[in-house]
Amino acid sequence: DTAVSQTPKYLVTQMGNDKSIKCEQNLGHDTMYWYKQDSKKFLKIMFSYNNKELIINETVPNRFSPKSPDKAHLNLHINSLELGDSAVYFCASSQDRLAGFQETQYFGPGTRLLVL
Amino acid sequence: AQSVTQPDIHITVSEGASLELRCNYSYGATPYLFWYVQSPGQGLQLLLKYFSGDTLVQGIKGFEAEFKRSQSSFNLRKPSVHWSDAAEYFCAVGSGQKLVFGQGTRLTINP
Repeated sequence: DTAVSQTPKYLVTQMGNDKSIKCEQNLGHDTMYWYKQDSKKFLKIMFSYNNKELIINETVPNRFSPKSPDKAHLNLHINSLELGDSAVYFCASSQDRLAGFQETQYFGPGTRLLVL
Repeated sequence: AQSVTQPDIHITVSEGASLELRCNYSYGATPYLFWYVQSPGQGLQLLLKYFSGDTLVQGIKGFEAEFKRSQSSFNLRKPSVHWSDAAEYFCAVGSGQKLVFGQGTRLTINP
């Protein structure tokens, strides 16, 4: 059973389009995250949600909007895609917000986004 | 601001040889340190973590890491690598409620 799953795995789209990436975890965790990994493999957190509440919102463009319909899902919607949005986006989850990073984070397989 | 530096972008070792991947951090207080591995096309998997106590930490897959406060380092080691260890390795420091990652070290294994 996949613990943290993401769809789609690959996403190729034109500049200016709007796209969404979905993430689901079946671990019963309270906290979920979105990370962006750029072409140089540098990994940086974008957002974190705990029980559907936004708790970390790094400096990312307003075109990126996370949505958490329930604590098992955290979707990432991107408006007006730009060339620089091309990257690998990872979803992750951990058990307890209060423990913060002390809780092990479980990562999904990533979504490879290419904007043409 | 907290930061993590992995000085080696790419390392190649022979199968069966020993391995050490370097990690240096910048953090004002007692650091919480992690090593993650990313296999090709996969997400990240936690290898080990250090919060306090014994400075030599054992992890999965035969890896260990040693925290050296005086050198601000948390190097990852393995006595004998296997071909399946070829992957990208990330060091990270806990900051606030998030992880700050280094830029990664790509490990290639020669047969």
